[in-house]
Amino acid sequence: AQSVSQHNHHVILSEAASLELGCNYSYGGTVNLFWYVQYPGQHLQLLLKYFSGDPLVKGIKGFEAEFIKSKFSFNLRKPSVQWSDTAEYFCAVNALGYGNKLVFGAGTILRVKS
Amino acid sequence: NAGVMQNPRHLVRRRGQEARLRCSPMKGHSHVYWYRQLPEEGLKFMVYLQKENIIDESGMPKERFSAEFPKEGPSILRIQQVVRGDSAAYFCASSPSDTSYEQYFGPGTRLTVT
Repeated sequence: AQSVSQHNHHVILSEAASLELGCNYSYGGTVNLFWYVQYPGQHLQLLLKYFSGDPLVKGIKGFEAEFIKSKFSFNLRKPSVQWSDTAEYFCAVNALGYGNKLVFGAGTILRVKS
Repeated sequence: NAGVMQNPRHLVRRRGQEARLRCSPMKGHSHVYWYRQLPEEGLKFMVYLQKENIIDESGMPKERFSAEFPKEGPSILRIQQVVRGDSAAYFCASSPSDTSYEQYFGPGTRLTVT
């Protein structure tokens, strides 16, 4: 079965620090990759996605992610975080050939100190 | 342009009662997914439905859980004879077609079983 692992469950950063959240998945075939964000009290929102093409994808609010196929990774980055980035971040994978379901990581709670 | 709607947002049931969770997809979307999030875990896929059809129920517990998406009206996730272990957040997502892997999430229903 496919699985997704996010390396850190809690991350605390100061404003203006750089962010990198790790995401690795276990599936050898073609994948679609997603990062979702859940701000406090709100529902899950799509931050960015990768289907094919340029492995460096840009999302909303200055976030980007890089797909490294050889490492089965899709890490999320932001050069300079803001207090408003405080949220929980979920990496998700759709494995082609296994239907439309998304397999989620356990999430990373990011707290940005102002 | 309304997003995915779920109700109720919070539901409290005593052990042995039935829980009914409702999901109205985004306008124009005919594909619905249900996920469950237990404390400290990521979202876990339960079931994928099209109008009047269950496409993939590989994540549904074998007993007490059922889902439907009738021709008219919202999708319903039904849990019979609830137990404490059913306490979780239940999220619904929708997509416009079976070739669109991007899913849009609702705010979730938090079920508490006392």
